[in-house]
Amino acid sequence: EIVLTQSPGTLSLSPGERATLSCRASQSVSSSYLAWYQQTPGQAPRLLIYGASSRPTGIPDRFSGSGSGTDFTLTISRLEPEDFAVYYCQQYGSSALTFGGGTKVEIK
Amino acid sequence: DVQLLESGGGLVQPGGSLRLSCAASGFTFSVNAMSWVRQAPGKGLEWVSSISGSGGSTYSADSVKGRFTISRDSSKNTLYLQMNSLRAEDTAVYYCAKDTRAAAGKYYFDSWGQGTLVTVSA
Repeated sequence: EIVLTQSPGTLSLSPGERATLSCRASQSVSSSYLAWYQQTPGQAPRLLIYGASSRPTGIPDRFSGSGSGTDFTLTISRLEPEDFAVYYCQQYGSSALTFGGGTKVEIK
Repeated sequence: DVQLLESGGGLVQPGGSLRLSCAASGFTFSVNAMSWVRQAPGKGLEWVSSISGSGGSTYSADSVKGRFTISRDSSKNTLYLQMNSLRAEDTAVYYCAKDTRAAAGKYYFDSWGQGTLVTVSA
């Protein structure tokens, strides 16, 4: 099973600042099969990024993903008030799908 | 628009059974892989089980293998999760998710339902 470790656990930032979230895998994720999700309190998760760097239709371009192998990054270029949430990475490079533990982005 | 509506959650005693349902609409259910993902109170996301579009292939997390069974009825556009031998650690919100297939057994989740709460307690 591929273990995903997200850091930091909590990121305290102000609106307008840049957020950089990390997701590290215990072994290489094949074909960059890595996704990112956003979850706000009381809501279901929402897909932000798939294939490490592709955005689904409707996701703002302030969200970007990068990385390959074992190291992946989600960047939010300028935080909007609605971006304060918990973010999860998920690998689908193996059929034992796994999520990271999450990074909470909170208002400073 | 994709809509996924879960039902069937509730309070059940340890060792008991429960069947969750997910009614799907807004897409061609019969060709889409589907999954269940759960979230224990105050915790992160955990993948539970997935089923291919045809229903011919299923995949499950080790934590539920032999206890939970995923299935689908394309005539009813409905996904199911039969949960047996329930334990306290199965307490969670269970989300139904529509999958995008990257390869056999390799899915990410492009749409999610609002979830149904399962509580396992005496």
